[in-house]
Amino acid sequence: GDSVTQMEGPVTLSEEAFLTINCTYTATGYPSLFWYVQYPGEGLQLLLKATKADDKGSNKGFEATYRKETTSFHLEKGSVQVSDSAVYFCARGNQGGSEKLVFGKGTKLTVNP
Amino acid sequence: DGGITQSPKYLFRKEGQNVTLSCEQNLNHDAMYWYRQDPGQGLRLIYYSQIVNDFQKGDIAEGYSVSREKKESFPLTVTSAQKNPTAFYLCASSPRDRGSHEQYFGPGTRLTVT
Repeated sequence: GDSVTQMEGPVTLSEEAFLTINCTYTATGYPSLFWYVQYPGEGLQLLLKATKADDKGSNKGFEATYRKETTSFHLEKGSVQVSDSAVYFCARGNQGGSEKLVFGKGTKLTVNP
Repeated sequence: DGGITQSPKYLFRKEGQNVTLSCEQNLNHDAMYWYRQDPGQGLRLIYYSQIVNDFQKGDIAEGYSVSREKKESFPLTVTSAQKNPTAFYLCASSPRDRGSHEQYFGPGTRLTVT
């Protein structure tokens, strides 16, 4: 079925390390893809998005490229900070005519000083 | 400022009581959603509404009810039939005129039932 699969966490890094969080999806076409971030005790915030193949979404030093060949949308950041500690969710748009999103299970990132 | 508000932030109830969670948005969005979040399970869709006076069940609608009498408001009632209601509840909205399906989230309500 339609789904979004993220690498399991938790992920623990030192400050200034390189971050990759893998995300793959299943779909019959080319849905929009998103990364959301959730800080402790808060709702989700949109981090970045890509709406078509080969698009690169970027924000706050984070990047993700829509790869239709590998049905992937991996999140990367060259140098993480302690303030990046949060849970990251990959999501894809629904293709059934509604605006529903399908979410991955989330990856918890902890960045140590 | 435009946004989505959920109240209260924390809610405590006794088992067997119905409880209603509030969600209001001033973004002029047509579509609204309710999700439940449990540790390690990501977000699961409870109900969604694409237009006033219409709503559809999501993946885990049993034990919940909603109404959509106004565009700005989409309250969720957790009934006594919901077997495990303790969770973090998130409301979201999205505009229907965009093709990207981007959703905007409220700050959430943490419900504890004992």
